[in-house]
Amino acid sequence: DVKVTQSSRYLVKRTGEKVFLECVQDMDHENMFWYRQDPGLGLRLIYFSYDVKMKEKGDIPEGYSVSREKKERFSLILESASTNQTSMYLCASTIQGGGLMPQHFGDGTRLSIL
Amino acid sequence: DAKTTQPNSMESNEEEPVHLPCNHSTISGTDYIHWYRQLPSQGPEYVIHGLTSNVNNRMASLAIAEDRKSSTLILHRATLRDAAVYYCILRDTHNFNKFYFGSGTKLNVKP
Repeated sequence: DVKVTQSSRYLVKRTGEKVFLECVQDMDHENMFWYRQDPGLGLRLIYFSYDVKMKEKGDIPEGYSVSREKKERFSLILESASTNQTSMYLCASTIQGGGLMPQHFGDGTRLSIL
Repeated sequence: DAKTTQPNSMESNEEEPVHLPCNHSTISGTDYIHWYRQLPSQGPEYVIHGLTSNVNNRMASLAIAEDRKSSTLILHRATLRDAAVYYCILRDTHNFNKFYFGSGTKLNVKP
């Protein structure tokens, strides 16, 4: 089975801090994604990457950046954390194949910004 | 983006079948219908997907209306472990990053 591992289940940081969320997948998937999940808003795509060193903005990229130096690892960076970035963050990966291929998700990181 | 409409919640008895409906009246010809579920404190989990024909796998069955404007996820024998939020999603073949989850249906399974 595909394993998508997020480095932390719970994280508490302070306003203004630089925050790193790490995600690793073990199935050699080309595509990786970062979402945030908020009550009533569903999942919203922040950034995605379809190859090493490639990245594309999703629907809500403001205040975030990403890094993909290796195929298996996709990092989400909050440049200067703010309280409105308190959320559940989900990483996902999928093999190439467009809308046909299922996404495999990690268990999420619940991030609180104080 | 094509959207889906699902009931907010449903309830089922253990060991009985469950039919979870989804309306997607604005579906386009290149949209696949995907179902995911999210158990408490976990990330979403892929369940099943289809395009036009009904589909079966070890987890569930997917029944797609002939006009593709609605679909139904069928759990043949609900267990307590099936209690989760179920999401019906449309995914475009050519825009794989478009993945709108919506609010889903919260399924409660009673013993």
